[in-house]
Amino acid sequence: SQQGEEDPQALSIQEGENATMNCSYKTSINNLQWYRQNSGRGLVHLILIRSNEREKHSGRLRVTLDTSKKSSSLLITASRAADTASYFCATALSSGTYKYIFGTGTRLKVLA
Amino acid sequence: GAVVSQHPSRVICKSGTSVKIECRSLDFQATTMFWYRQFPKQSLMLMATSNEGSKATYEQGVEKDKFLINHASLTLSTLTVTSAHPEDSSFYICSAGISNQPQHFGDGTRLSIL
Repeated sequence: SQQGEEDPQALSIQEGENATMNCSYKTSINNLQWYRQNSGRGLVHLILIRSNEREKHSGRLRVTLDTSKKSSSLLITASRAADTASYFCATALSSGTYKYIFGTGTRLKVLA
Repeated sequence: GAVVSQHPSRVICKSGTSVKIECRSLDFQATTMFWYRQFPKQSLMLMATSNEGSKATYEQGVEKDKFLINHASLTLSTLTVTSAHPEDSSFYICSAGISNQPQHFGDGTRLSIL
């Protein structure tokens, strides 16, 4: 399977703490994206990082990409209860096909 | 931001029924629409990719005759689950996008087959 893996599978933290999620993938990529999914809803795009980028920021989000290790991390700083959701990485393959492979996801719970 | 509408949000029906799910991009014309299936607490599994006016490309293991996809226009794609059975019960999500740009997702359809 091409599917990427994320760890941890589940993460529970206190409000105000930082949350770090990791994503590993298997093939060469064009870009990697992080999405958020609230329970029973669709996915919301958070951030995209291209294969020639190493780090990207968006508000409280920080994403890193290490193509040599085929891995990425998502850091959410100063977490809030509203950040409680599942987070998925998705890789766009470098083959040129417009198709994303989603990781297994991390279920984040932020306790107030 | 781009909005994708998916309808219905929930379907409960008897075994043997065919169910149609619609996916519309409301404020942009999508070159490609995607259909995913998601089991509880699991990731999204891509079922098929469809481009307007052409046949859908199905992923390995997905039955074409079971999951019929029609992409009639740049703003509408439909997924029909034919002769649905309990094992087809799942959360189905569509997304729409323009080549190599982030996909925009519908809110999903929870299908329950009795």
